[in-house]
Amino acid sequence: AQSVAQPEDQVNVAEGNPLTVKCTYSVSGNPYLFWYVQYPNRGLQFLLKYITGDNLVKGSYGFEAEFNKSQTSFHLKKPSALVSDSALYFCAPSRRDDKIIFGKGTRLHILP
Amino acid sequence: NAGVTQTPKFQVLKTGQSMTLQCAQDMNHNSMYWYRQDPGMGLRLIYYSASEGTTDKGEVPNGYNVSRLNKREFSLRLESAAPSQTSVYFCASSAGGTYNSPLHFGNGTRLTVT
Repeated sequence: AQSVAQPEDQVNVAEGNPLTVKCTYSVSGNPYLFWYVQYPNRGLQFLLKYITGDNLVKGSYGFEAEFNKSQTSFHLKKPSALVSDSALYFCAPSRRDDKIIFGKGTRLHILP
Repeated sequence: NAGVTQTPKFQVLKTGQSMTLQCAQDMNHNSMYWYRQDPGMGLRLIYYSASEGTTDKGEVPNGYNVSRLNKREFSLRLESAAPSQTSVYFCASSAGGTYNSPLHFGNGTRLTVT
């Protein structure tokens, strides 16, 4: 079965520290990989995507993600966390048949 | 630029009542989608419309119907609401399919069925 896993329900990071939100997937073929962010009472917003090429992808708000094909992972990172980064983050691999799979989400809590 | 607009923002229904959730996008996108979000379950696709005039079932279509009224508008109807349909509903659009086109989401409709 095709799936995506975000192993941590919540990640707590002190402001100014680096952050990582983990994602692993099991999807056949070469999926495109997306990260979305959801702020309270809002819809999801596109953050970044990986298609091909450089394994480190840069996106909005200073976020980047590292693709690792052998580990089928696509971890979201940021060098220095801000309190305003506190939100719910979703990893979402998409398949060539246009089915996108959303993870269950990881709540990121940045401590001032 | 409004993006994706959903109405209403909140709704409370009694079991058995019907209602239609409205969605409109102003980005000239071809594809539109309806998702539901439940705690701890991520987002699940209810129905989608790859282009004007077409609709297809997603993962959880039972109890719902949709209409792609024109390129801009995609509505979701609950004919006979059930408590299991209590959820937050999101409409989204994309320029192409979801394989390589990011989704643009509305701000959601919080539906409670009592």
